[in-house]
Amino acid sequence: DAKTTQPPSMDCAEGRAANLPCNHSTISGNEYVYWYRQIHSQGPQYIIHGLKNNETNEMASLIITEDRKSSTLILPHATLRDTAVYYCIVRVAHGDDKIIFGKGTRLHILP
Amino acid sequence: DTAVSQTPKYLVTQMGNDKSIKCEQNLGHDTMYWYKQDSKKFLKIMFSYNNKELIINETVPNRFSPKSPDKAHLNLHINSLELGDSAVYFCASTEGGGFTEAFFGQGTRLTVV
Repeated sequence: DAKTTQPPSMDCAEGRAANLPCNHSTISGNEYVYWYRQIHSQGPQYIIHGLKNNETNEMASLIITEDRKSSTLILPHATLRDTAVYYCIVRVAHGDDKIIFGKGTRLHILP
Repeated sequence: DTAVSQTPKYLVTQMGNDKSIKCEQNLGHDTMYWYKQDSKKFLKIMFSYNNKELIINETVPNRFSPKSPDKAHLNLHINSLELGDSAVYFCASTEGGGFTEAFFGQGTRLTVV
């Protein structure tokens, strides 16, 4: 079973910030939070990951709460091309354990 | 150049046939994976190889046999295909066994009729 809980779907207006929440209340101290997305008919695409601190890259920002039990992926200026299923995944950075994808959040960007 | 490439992109075959899906990565990664995405869109890991050695083998029927001739290739051979094998199969690779920035192929849509 996935260790994360995400809303099944969300809408966001084009040009606005899309904030995608993820709950991971059982996260362990050595587990990272990863975000991937899957645009229709394509393979999943890495977005960002973090351990404790907030992270930002050219695609998105990741905000992790102080207790690490939840996080939020922020797409600062959503475009129609950001319409996808977004997956929040928790696991150790290096290891042979299973990489489990949950159901993800289907994000609809509205024109 | 495509980082992780799979062939074929589409595969339609009859029940009982044997088929292979090929995967190649040009990223120099050590670890490669096969995932299955069923009609409900759940992505499930099937196998993981690190430097040609099997690391993860999920509860997958013996009809599925991965083969890694070198660390840049991980092929998936499926014997005696069944209707339930219809799905999209994704190959992925990462560096050093970690999951940071896993790169996925575009998928192979297998339809068994």
